[in-house]
Amino acid sequence: EMLLVESGGALVQPGGSLRLSCAASGFGFSDSAVHWVRQASGKGLEWVGRIKSKANNYATIYDVSLEGRFTIFRDDSKNTADLFMRSLKAEDTAVYYCSTYFFDSSGYKVDLWGQGTQVTVSS
Amino acid sequence: SYELTQPSSVSVSPGQTARINCSGDVLAEKYSRWLQQRPGQAPKLLIYKDSERPSGIPERISGANSRTTATLTISGAQVEDEGDYYCYSATDNDLVFGGGTKLTVL
Repeated sequence: EMLLVESGGALVQPGGSLRLSCAASGFGFSDSAVHWVRQASGKGLEWVGRIKSKANNYATIYDVSLEGRFTIFRDDSKNTADLFMRSLKAEDTAVYYCSTYFFDSSGYKVDLWGQGTQVTVSS
Repeated sequence: SYELTQPSSVSVSPGQTARINCSGDVLAEKYSRWLQQRPGQAPKLLIYKDSERPSGIPERISGANSRTTATLTISGAQVEDEGDYYCYSATDNDLVFGGGTKLTVL
């Protein structure tokens, strides 16, 4: 079974840092981009950023509203993609999901989503 | 930047057909995808490439895309279909999400 599992969510004080991890099992995602998406309580889905594959130079891009506070890394040997967050604010409080894709029999991308990890920024 | 627009809520009686529209210019260039999110659960992919169902998604769930409007159709709606539904699309850089539609079946 193909699974994505996020971990690392925690309660952190404003101004603090946190590293979330996204681990894939049952498949390898080295050829796929990985996105991070977040969802504040009672709100919709908000794209955070993505990292492309090695073939695409591990290119990253982030939502501009994050003001450069978030960084995505990946380790294809471990099948993981991490989200490093710094200078955290109360408005970063959300469930964080990672998403990637595999290719169906026709070569089209089929998205996979993890179960999410809760980040709470509060003093 | 691209935007996707969905109705905030849709309500149907059990056994009826629920249709949720999603509109945006990005749909003229990129495939639509649909997620179901039941209360307290993670999003689950229902439709990709406008109308394809991943393994395990029943045939009563279908999708279509007409240039700038995508439609998710749930035939024979059941109480278990209640939840939030999100359309989204993948551009070269990011994922663009609709605001979500709350489906009520009662």
